[in-house]
Amino acid sequence: AQTVTQSQPEMSVQEAETVTLSCTYDTSESDYYLFWYKQPPSRQMILVIRQEAYKQQNATENRFSVNFQKAAKSFSLKISDSQLGDAAMYFCAYRDGGTSYGKLTFGQGTILTVHP
Amino acid sequence: GAGVSQSPSNKVTEKGKDVELRCDPISGHTALYWYRQSLGQGLEFLIYFQGNSAPDKSGLPSDRFSAERTGGSVSTLTIQRTQQEDSAVYLCASSLDGNSYNEQFFGPGTRLTVL
Repeated sequence: AQTVTQSQPEMSVQEAETVTLSCTYDTSESDYYLFWYKQPPSRQMILVIRQEAYKQQNATENRFSVNFQKAAKSFSLKISDSQLGDAAMYFCAYRDGGTSYGKLTFGQGTILTVHP
Repeated sequence: GAGVSQSPSNKVTEKGKDVELRCDPISGHTALYWYRQSLGQGLEFLIYFQGNSAPDKSGLPSDRFSAERTGGSVSTLTIQRTQQEDSAVYLCASSLDGNSYNEQFFGPGTRLTVL
């Protein structure tokens, strides 16, 4: 079974600074997707960024980027120029690719605090 | 509404009572997922629907849990004889179809508290 591990229960960052959230995963599959979701206090899960395992290039979405190390099974999220609105719980998630129906497996989450 | 909606937003019930949680997916989305978020277990998959069928119910924790989907749209998650360990946030998500490529859009969840 696939597993996802986030070893940082809490992280904090100063506004405008950069922070990196860590995630490791375990799978025997070669085709899969990795995601970072943000969950603010409203509970609404919001997709931040997605990475296809077959792509070597790291995904980037504005201030959010990932460092995808396939051999090490590592998938970290870097938030640049942190903003107060970035404060939330962040979840790393895995999903099988191919003909799989797309069930998500989540890590334990990291609470990010942004200090003004 | 354009997004996934869930009702009620919060539900408080007494141990032993039955509860029904509702999910309205995005119109046209054939795939629907239920997840549970609890302090002890984190975020875990419960069940997947493709249309009205549930090809994967492997995440349902016990036979007190059941779910159905009608008309390929609304889904109801039912918990019978609730226990305190059922207290959690129940999240619903939908996607265009079950293809792994498609994004899952989440609803705001139902917070269930069992006293």
